[in-house]
Amino acid sequence: AQSVAQPEDQVNVAEGNPLTVKCTYSVSGNPYLFWYVQYPNRGLQFLLKYITGDNLVKGSYGFEAEFNKSQTSFHLKKPSALVSDSALYFCAVRGALSYNTDKLIFGTGTRLQVFP
Amino acid sequence: DTEVTQTPKHLVMGMTNKKSLKCEQHMGHRAMYWYKQKAKKPPELMFVYSYEKLSINESVPSRFSPECPNSSLLNLHLHALQPEDSALYLCASSQGQAVSYEQYFGPGTRLTVT
Repeated sequence: AQSVAQPEDQVNVAEGNPLTVKCTYSVSGNPYLFWYVQYPNRGLQFLLKYITGDNLVKGSYGFEAEFNKSQTSFHLKKPSALVSDSALYFCAVRGALSYNTDKLIFGTGTRLQVFP
Repeated sequence: DTEVTQTPKHLVMGMTNKKSLKCEQHMGHRAMYWYKQKAKKPPELMFVYSYEKLSINESVPSRFSPECPNSSLLNLHLHALQPEDSALYLCASSQGQAVSYEQYFGPGTRLTVT
């Protein structure tokens, strides 16, 4: 069965420092991986995805993620954190292999807190 | 226009009420979704519509009834809900149902069942 794990409930980082939010996955077949961000009392916003191609994926708001097949990881990174990046981050993986049962499986979420 | 809109933003209803949540997108997307999200938890998929037909029902209780009147609109009809149904209800859309397409989410309806 497809699954995704976010091992950290919360990540704290000082503004201007690099940040990493971790995600590992377990899939059969090719992984389709996504990162979404949720600000308080809002819906989710798409940040980036890995389907195929370059292992380093660049997304919105300066975020990027590195697909590592050997470590089955897809960590989200940003070189310099902003206070406005403080939010809840979800990693997600494709949940099935057939068209009419395709769905996203979300991780439990990681709260990112960026301190001034 | 890359926006998914949802109305109302907040809804308080009694257990005997009937109410509806509405979702609209004008991006030409052919797949639309309903999710339920409890506080500090990931969204849970409820229903998927693809080309206006119900494609996935994640064993949702019949007190939740989805409807897709046309390719831009998605409704969720609520009847005889329980207090544990209180949650944020999110609508999303994507270009197609294949998961390679990213989903665009609305801001959600915060539902409280009293």
